[in-house]
Parts: sequence; C-alpha cells; structure tokens
Amino acid sequence: AQSVTQLDSHVSVSEGTPVLLRCNYSSSYSPSLFWYVQHPNKGLQLLLKYTSAATLVKGINGFEAEFKKSETSFHLTKPSAHMSDAAEYFCVVSSGNFNKFYFGSGTKLNVKP
Amino acid sequence: KAGVTQTPRYLIKTRGQQVTLSCSPISGHRSVSWYQQTPGQGLQFLFEYFSETQRNKGNFPGRFSGRQFSNSRSEMNVSTLELGDSALYLCASREGRADSYEQYFGPGTRLTVT
Repeated sequence: AQSVTQLDSHVSVSEGTPVLLRCNYSSSYSPSLFWYVQHPNKGLQLLLKYTSAATLVKGINGFEAEFKKSETSFHLTKPSAHMSDAAEYFCVVSSGNFNKFYFGSGTKLNVKP
Repeated sequence: KAGVTQTPRYLIKTRGQQVTLSCSPISGHRSVSWYQQTPGQGLQFLFEYFSETQRNKGNFPGRFSGRQFSNSRSEMNVSTLELGDSALYLCASREGRADSYEQYFGPGTRLTVT
C-alpha cells in the first residue's frame, strides 16, 4: 500500500529565506514521487518528479527535492523564497504502474515580506 | 495545446438534486481522473477513465459516477446531493501509457450544495 504524510500543514517563511516542506512516504513498491503546487482558485501544477533516476531532482521555479530511501522521505526545498511561492503544496506517491496517485494532505506556504 | 478545461466553473445546487460536471482533456490524452478536494479531507481520488472504461476507482459511494466518451471527454455525475458533497472537483488528464506519470489538472468546478 502507498501513503504520504506531509509533516507540516502550514509553513511560514520570510521572503529571501530557505523553504523546507517535509514529506514522508510509505510504499510497497519502488515509488514514484511528485510535488504539485496549487495557487488559490487554480488547478494543480507539477513542480518536480522522482521516477528512480537521480535522487536529487530539480524542478521549476528553483525548487528541488531529494529522494532518501533510508528515511522514506522526499522533502521539497528552495534556497530563497519569493512572494509568488505562497501557495499550497502537495506531495504525491504513485503505484508502480502510475495508475493510482496518493496525495498528501497539503502544506500551505506563507511568505512574509 | 489547450489545457484541461472544466465546465461549469461554479455551481450551486440544492440537497437531493443531481449534478453533472464536464472535463475536456488535453488533445491526445486518453486518461481522465477525477478528484474531490475539501478542506477537511484534502484531495481524494474518485475514479479514472481510460479509453471509455473505468480503470480505477476510489472509495466513494455509488452516487458518484462517471463516463468517458470516444473523444476522451469525461463527465462526472453526482446524484442525490448531500451537503457534504460541497467541494472543488478537479479533473486531470494524462496520456495514459504506463510511463505517462504527469497529470495535467484543470481549474476545477466549485460545487456548493445548500
């Protein structure tokens, strides 16, 4: 069975400081993992994906995530937050054949000026 | 290519009524998935259609149903609406191959049940 736990429901950072959004997963298979972002009243947009290639994955808008099998984690980071990063972020795990996707409960990122 | 479109964007219905939501996937995408998003339950998977057949199903009651047409457009129907059905309903399309992992989401339909 697959599941995802996002450890923080809300994260608040100041503009220009690093961002860390935490995600732990559980999977019976070699997982594929994703981060999506949702801006208010918008659909979800894929930020980055891990599909058993390089463990450090770079995505759009300066975000990256590192797959750590020993820790069953896939945390999302960004060196310097921008006001436009304020949104809700979802960590997602997929079964081996991509036919089912399991979403975490989301982390709302607030960026203070 | 045009993105995923969902109609209507907003809907207000009364308890007991039924509703049909529509999703047009990106051209060439054969898989359409539906999700319900609420503040309390987060994003929950409803079902996925691929080539007009339901391929996967989440844990929702039979009041929630869907279908897919030969042009890959999909509809979702909810019968006998309950207050708890108020939610943002998102659809997502992807190519449908086993290695096509990227889902493209529409803007959603905001359903309010009064």
